[in-house]
Amino acid sequence: GAGVSQSPSNKVTEKGKDVELRCDPISGHTALYWYRQSLGQGLEFLIYFQGNSAPDKSGLPSDRFSAERTGGSVSTLTIQRTQQEDSAVYLCASSLPPGAGGQPQHFGDGTRLSIL
Amino acid sequence: SQQGEEDPQALSIQEGENATMNCSYKTSINNLQWYRQNSGRGLVHLILIRSNEREKHSGRLRVTLDTSKKSSSLLITASRAADTASYFCATDGPSGNTPLVFGKGTRLSVIA
Repeated sequence: GAGVSQSPSNKVTEKGKDVELRCDPISGHTALYWYRQSLGQGLEFLIYFQGNSAPDKSGLPSDRFSAERTGGSVSTLTIQRTQQEDSAVYLCASSLPPGAGGQPQHFGDGTRLSIL
Repeated sequence: SQQGEEDPQALSIQEGENATMNCSYKTSINNLQWYRQNSGRGLVHLILIRSNEREKHSGRLRVTLDTSKKSSSLLITASRAADTASYFCATDGPSGNTPLVFGKGTRLSVIA
């Protein structure tokens, strides 16, 4: 079956521009996560969607970052007025509802964002 | 804030040797997971161990969990060049319904 799909795979843009990153999760996965990974670093949690619940936005670094998940499926991460420090790989993951037992997360290959 | 911290940061071994990576965490967990990341790719789930489990095996992988020490280890036996990757541990919170918190990873190089 299809895995998590992210687009674009690479994005180069000028400082100050807005960018939109897209994530198509695995069908049936109600949980969707966005992470940011800087070079050689671990993953920084950004935002978490679970079903129809209000998203957990606690990881968003500033109000320039926002995300939507339409129809419980596709998600878009938007970064407004990009800054050079926004340069990183943005990873999306999806899973079945985490619950008490925990669920493995399935990752896309990420969008490599470069701000000039 | 960082929950899991992997040790060592980097590890280089010969093919056929065993590789051991450690993870320490700070708060109570419901489960701990290990992931692998090849260069330029997303993370791939390897194994999940629950807080009431002490050891788990999957093929050449063996994971242990010591909740009293808040630590876990990942052992890869009979390593292969294809095992070269970064390995991350990730923990959830006591309720389980929280985003995972990832460490910075161990970069493993297996030399043929």
